Parts: sequence; C-alpha cells; structure tokens
Amino acid sequence: DSGVTQTPKHLITATGQRVTLRCSPRSGDLSVYWYQQSLDQGLQFLIHYYNGEERAKGNILERFSAQQFPDLHSELNLSSLELGDSALYFCASSSSPSNQPQHFGDGTRLSIL
Amino acid sequence: QKEVEQDPGPLSVPEGAIVSLNCTYSNSAFQYFMWYRQYSRKGPELLMYTYSSGNKEDGRFTAQVDKSSKYISLFIRDSQPSDSATYLCATLFQGAQKLVFGQGTRLTINP
Repeated sequence: DSGVTQTPKHLITATGQRVTLRCSPRSGDLSVYWYQQSLDQGLQFLIHYYNGEERAKGNILERFSAQQFPDLHSELNLSSLELGDSALYFCASSSSPSNQPQHFGDGTRLSIL
Repeated sequence: QKEVEQDPGPLSVPEGAIVSLNCTYSNSAFQYFMWYRQYSRKGPELLMYTYSSGNKEDGRFTAQVDKSSKYISLFIRDSQPSDSATYLCATLFQGAQKLVFGQGTRLTINP
C-alpha cells in the first residue's frame, strides 16, 4: 500500500459529461502529481501541485483542470468528455518537488461510452 | 524520438531465470532513474531509485545506470511467478517536476 488514495476506482460516463477524480496524498507529502495512462501513449504527466500551488503543467488539455486544497487533497476535473479521454488516471505524491521519488495510487479507470 | 525508449515485450521466461530489462534515454540532463513495477489494475510501485552511474542492489533486484551510453537496466535474479508484471523505467532531471516514463515491458515468469 503506497498510502496514496484515489477515488473512485472506476467511472463510467458518456461523451460531453464532466467528472471529478479525487486524490489524497501520503501523510506528510506536499506534492501531488496527476498522470494519464493509455495503451498507445503510456504514462503521461498532466500537472503538478505543491502545497496548494500549481508548479508544472504537462500535456494537459484545456478541458481538464486540477486543484489542491488546504488539506492537501487534490481533484482533477475533466469536462466535455470525449471517447479518447478513456484511460487510467493516476495520482502520485512526494514530500517536496525536488525530493523524489513519487509514490502512486491505484488509479481511477475512466470509461467514456 | 521518445525521450525514454523501452521495449514493450512481452517477455516470457521460466521461473528461476535471470531477467534483464532495459531502457535508453536521449536527454543527457536526466539525473535520476527509477524502476516501477505495475501489476494489473494497480498503480506503479517503486522498486528502485538511483542518482548516479553504477549498480544499486536491493534483494533480488539490481538497477544499473550507464550515463555515458544513456542506458539503464534492471536485473531480477531467481525470478518468481509473483514477479510477473509490467516494468516501467522512469527518469527526470534536477529541478524537473515530472517523471518521463518508458512504455513499459510486460514480463511473465512461467512456473
């Protein structure tokens, strides 16, 4: 058990809808990272938050947004969903931006019908 | 060209064999190297984390980094069926905020 908790484990929704994925980092970790894993692209970095502030963006679509709350949990919001957004979404945490390594949760599987 | 290249396999070996998994990377600025293991329907689990060139050993696992040739390896000794998983290499450079992953190698250990 990595200590990183993600909910829900599985989401099934339709195109055009909006969903929110939740992540609770390991106790004491201030950094939260979001990744998307698909069969063709592998694991791709989306965004990083440190202690409530956005620190880095990767290949994140404009339809996607994230935030980190004062209690350090984070949410990834996906809107106007398309079939191609079907993937596994992982959250990882570390104690600081420069203090690797990152520990991953078990992900949320998003299925768009 | 991808920043980190990894043969996706699949790789199938008999129990007890020595397994060698490899990645190459293109950016010489990469300084940190990791191996993650991912079981089906689970998140990546950190196996090895190293900074410098050379070998790092942890039980049956040895990580090897050769910065001169931009080559990283993971060796598994006395492989077990429970080692069957996808193995992902990952890198980053000082100050970077994201991990760059290889595609992952799917490994099966046959009893």
